[in-house]
Amino acid sequence: IQLTQSPSSLSASVGDRVTITCRASQGISSYLAWYQQKPGKAPKLLIYAASTLQSGVPSRFSGSGSGTDFTLTISSLQPEDFATYYCQQLNSYTFGPGTKVDIK
Amino acid sequence: EVQLVESGGGLVQPGGSLRLSCAASGFTFSSYSMNWVRQAPGKGLEWVSYISSSSSTIYYADSVKGRFTISRDNAKNSLYLQMNSLRDEDTAVYYCARDKVVRGVIFAFDIWGQGTMVTVSS
Repeated sequence: IQLTQSPSSLSASVGDRVTITCRASQGISSYLAWYQQKPGKAPKLLIYAASTLQSGVPSRFSGSGSGTDFTLTISSLQPEDFATYYCQQLNSYTFGPGTKVDIK
Repeated sequence: EVQLVESGGGLVQPGGSLRLSCAASGFTFSSYSMNWVRQAPGKGLEWVSYISSSSSTIYYADSVKGRFTISRDNAKNSLYLQMNSLRDEDTAVYYCARDKVVRGVIFAFDIWGQGTMVTVSS
């Protein structure tokens, strides 16, 4: 199962609403997770089961979708949110190529 | 504190071998399935291998199958990755990661180590 993400990168300002899309090559029900990774750091789990917020993750992060199309939304971008975001499907564990969010 | 700490990375020549370790603490290691994930310099994440809590089920990515071996020692709270026949393209940061299991289903990797760098070069 292959995952694609769009866009591959985006520039945004603090306070912006940001949406990242992940598409699976075949249906994966809700077996999708989202991670945030900052340079030189390990990935951090944000969302699992497509829409469940991991404990301790701010509520400005949300996920939606099922089957083949999924989205990660940051409702109001904060300075600490500038990072690369990856989706992962849990049928065969593959990751998407990532979306880099940087400062406009 | 729930923690995973990798070790064993370093510089190795092509064709060589290396054994990575991941020490777990702060949780009941024997109850969790585990994974290795790698990230080549400037690239994305690549899942490498999975091992169930009892070592009864093991999976590998096609890119490492036949060359890498995952194992664990629940008595020592440790996960291992034996890497043989190393290639230039195996150069990466290697992370160990714990499965997040809800009602018997794996939904994500919820705890990650800090990573250990493996460089394959002559």
